[in-house]
Amino acid sequence: NAGVTQTPKFQVLKTGQSMTLQCAQDMNHNSMYWYRQDPGMGLRLIYYSASEGTTDKGEVPNGYNVSRLNKREFSLRLESAAPSQTSVYFCASSPGQGIYGYTFGSGTRLTVV
Amino acid sequence: AQSVTQLGSHVSVSEGALVLLRCNYSSSVPPYLFWYVQYPNQGLQLLLKYTSAATLVKGINGFEAEFKKSETSFHLTKPSAHMSDAAEYFCAVRDQAGTALIFGKGTTLSVSS
Repeated sequence: NAGVTQTPKFQVLKTGQSMTLQCAQDMNHNSMYWYRQDPGMGLRLIYYSASEGTTDKGEVPNGYNVSRLNKREFSLRLESAAPSQTSVYFCASSPGQGIYGYTFGSGTRLTVV
Repeated sequence: AQSVTQLGSHVSVSEGALVLLRCNYSSSVPPYLFWYVQYPNQGLQLLLKYTSAATLVKGINGFEAEFKKSETSFHLTKPSAHMSDAAEYFCAVRDQAGTALIFGKGTTLSVSS
């Protein structure tokens, strides 16, 4: 009954450091997404993977890379963290095509100092 | 392009009062619309969705929303607010490509006793 699992829940990075946010879903969903949430900005799409083996840029992809490792896992990498990347990151999954809605993970709160 | 506007970043009601959270959308194709709720320090949870069936959609926790094409609106209502309804609410529309959801900036609902 796990749904979407994100790790870590909290992270503090120094400017220029790199890290990978992990996301795994156990619902056999085809599509997976990474969003960032900032106060007053709502959720903005970083990258998505419509199906295993494909990834595409969203609204705010700069400074990020993603890997769809298999159908279950979709990771987000920050190669050289910047203070502007301080945010709460959410992973979500969907059976596909955006008509079913998403199941969200509980989020990763990232602070870059 | 698809977009969502949530009118009012903060709404305050008394316990037992009507809750009305406003959402207007812009879509070049028949829309798929969603409302999500986010409790403090948690991920987003699907409240309800409109997928071109009935225009009045009932969701969880006593919430409902009415799709009005002529007004391009999808407002969320609940007849009687409860303290546990205090949270942030997001309206979302499926993007034109049908691959991801576009979220509004959110409305924080406060409920006072």
